[in-house]
Amino acid sequence: NAGVTQTPKFQVLKTGQSMTLQCAQDMNHEYMSWYRQDPGMGLRLIHYSVGAGITDQGEVPNGYNVSRSTTEDFPLRLLSAAPSQTSVYFCASSSLGRVGTGELFFGEGSRLTVL
Amino acid sequence: DAKTTQPTSMDCAEGRAANLPCNHSTISGNEYVYWYRQIHSQGPQYIIHGLKNNETNEMASLIITEDRKSSTLILPHATLRDTAVYYCIGRAWGQGAQKLVFGQGTRLTINP
Repeated sequence: NAGVTQTPKFQVLKTGQSMTLQCAQDMNHEYMSWYRQDPGMGLRLIHYSVGAGITDQGEVPNGYNVSRSTTEDFPLRLLSAAPSQTSVYFCASSSLGRVGTGELFFGEGSRLTVL
Repeated sequence: DAKTTQPTSMDCAEGRAANLPCNHSTISGNEYVYWYRQIHSQGPQYIIHGLKNNETNEMASLIITEDRKSSTLILPHATLRDTAVYYCIGRAWGQGAQKLVFGQGTRLTINP
């Protein structure tokens, strides 16, 4: 199993450009989420999903869109990038079906710089 | 999900036990306490979790108070590789309870 795969690992954008960060997992996890991490700070939840067709907002959703058309994929879209979105983005997934487990598996991160 | 409070930073000598506290006074009865750590800029890594009873695995031990309002993560023999930011979060079960919020965490530094 590959686990949680994020692409790209690095990206530089100009202000106003759009892009999509990809996240895929091969563990058949119902739950997927996106976090951002700014220098010296903890993780902040952007959006999350508990299954295909179901998404919800986290702490800092503004400027980001998500969709969940399949169990495996949970892309994060930046419609008009701003310098404030310069950050490291982490995707995470877990199962929901077994109470007491539910370990979150994280991807390796995507470093985004908006100029 | 329960709000958790952790010290901003801690130091520990190599080879000693590192005890990391977490307060979760608003935790509800169906919420588990999870611990993760993040080494440098890598993705966070799961360590351990528990509900009521103390738990131990190959990485650490988790001690949860009887009233469940606080817990302590114990790294029994800390090494330099344990230097990381440690996060404590509460997680309930059910589709409507998955807004998993990480706090600032505790930056643990293991000193030689």
